[in-house]
Amino acid sequence: GNSVTQMEGPVTLSEEAFLTINCTYTATGYPSLFWYVQYPGEGLQLLLKATKADDKGSNKGFEATYRKETTSFHLEKGSVQVSDSAVYFCALIRFGTDKLIFGTGTRLQVFP
Amino acid sequence: DTAVSQTPKYLVTQMGNDKSIKCEQNLGHDTMYWYKQDSKKFLKIMFSYNNKELIINETVPNRFSPKSPDKAHLNLHINSLELGDSAVYFCASSRDRGNQPQHFGDGTRLSIL
Repeated sequence: GNSVTQMEGPVTLSEEAFLTINCTYTATGYPSLFWYVQYPGEGLQLLLKATKADDKGSNKGFEATYRKETTSFHLEKGSVQVSDSAVYFCALIRFGTDKLIFGTGTRLQVFP
Repeated sequence: DTAVSQTPKYLVTQMGNDKSIKCEQNLGHDTMYWYKQDSKKFLKIMFSYNNKELIINETVPNRFSPKSPDKAHLNLHINSLELGDSAVYFCASSRDRGNQPQHFGDGTRLSIL
C-alpha cells in the first residue's frame, strides 16, 4: 500500500541551527509529494511540493528534493528560527487518486 | 478573509448526542474534504466531495454523514456520538481533484464527555 514514514520527534534545535526532517515513502506509480506545517491551534498549511523525480520544492527557506531512487523527500532549512516551531507533516498523493496520505508528523521545537 | 472556515471551533458534548460541524470555502474550489486528527496528531481522510459528488468514503462508521449543499460547503453530521469520536476534525478544499494542494481550515476540536 501507499504510506509515508517520518522521523520521530520532537526535534529540538537552537536558533540558527540546520534542520533536517527525514521522510520516506512507499507508493505505486509516481506520487506527488508535499510538506505541510501545522502551527499550534491552527490548521495545516502547504509548505512546499514536488510532483516529479528530482524536482525541488522550496518556500520560506525550507527545501525538499524528490528523490525517486531513495524514495525520500527530506525537509531541510539552513537556519531555523523560533517561529519555525510547529508540527511538520510529509504527505503524498498517488497519481490517479484523490487521497492525501500523511506521515505521523514531526514536532520541531526551536529555542532562542 | 478566511479561505476555509469551520464552525464551531470547539464542541463539547455528551455521549449519544447528535452534532454537526459546518465548513465553507470562498476559494472557488471544486473539491472539499474532511479529515480526522487523533490525539497523537495522526491525520486520516474521511470523506471527499467533488462538485457535490461523493468521491472518497474511507471506512467511516455510518454515524458520520457528510452533506454538500453546494460546492462551497461541506458539512459533517455525526449521530450517536461515542468517546472515540473525540478528535480534531479538519475541513480542506482544493481547486480540483488529483494532486492539487489542499487548503485547510483551523479545525474543530470535538470533546465527548
